[in-house]
Amino acid sequence: DSGVTQTPKHLITATGQRVTLRCSPRSGDLSVYWYQQSLDQGLQFLIQYYNGEERAKGNILERFSAQQFPDLHSELNLSSLELGDSALYFCASSTTGTGNEQFFGPGTRLTVL
Amino acid sequence: GQQLNQSPQSMFIQEGEDVSMNCTSSSIFNTWLWYKQDPGEGPVLLIALYKAGELTSNGRLTAQFGITRKDSFLNISASIPSDVGIYFCAGPGGSGNTGKLIFGQGTTLQVKP
Repeated sequence: DSGVTQTPKHLITATGQRVTLRCSPRSGDLSVYWYQQSLDQGLQFLIQYYNGEERAKGNILERFSAQQFPDLHSELNLSSLELGDSALYFCASSTTGTGNEQFFGPGTRLTVL
Repeated sequence: GQQLNQSPQSMFIQEGEDVSMNCTSSSIFNTWLWYKQDPGEGPVLLIALYKAGELTSNGRLTAQFGITRKDSFLNISASIPSDVGIYFCAGPGGSGNTGKLIFGQGTTLQVKP
């Protein structure tokens, strides 16, 4: 158990819908990262937050957004969903903003039908 | 952009055999990380390397930071069935003040009892 929690574990929805994925980092970690894992693209960095502020952005679509709240939990919002958004979404956390030693949650499997 | 190439893509070995896999980069890295992912789970950090030439062990796992700083190696000795999974290398993919990671495409290991 990494100490990072993610909900829900599974999510099935339809195209055009909007969903919210939730992540709680390890106790004491200030940074939260979101990654997408698909069969054809592998593990791709989406976005990083550090202590409530956006720190780095990867190949995150405009339809996707995230935020980190004062209690340090984070939410990833995915809107206007397309079939190709079906993937595993992982949250990771680290102690610092440059923390390469990241600890991953169990992931949310999103299926868009 | 930066890319990490892992080889081999997959391995099928007999229990008790030693395993070697590697990861190469098109650019210099100052950190190398090795993760293992079990089916349906999030990646778990195995070993972190911070210095060229560094050799670090974690039980039966040994990883090395290549002296050119463009490669890293992971060895597993005396493999057992629970070593089955996907092994990823990762390195910093952003500027100095972020924790963005880029991942290789993974080496899938299967162990025959």
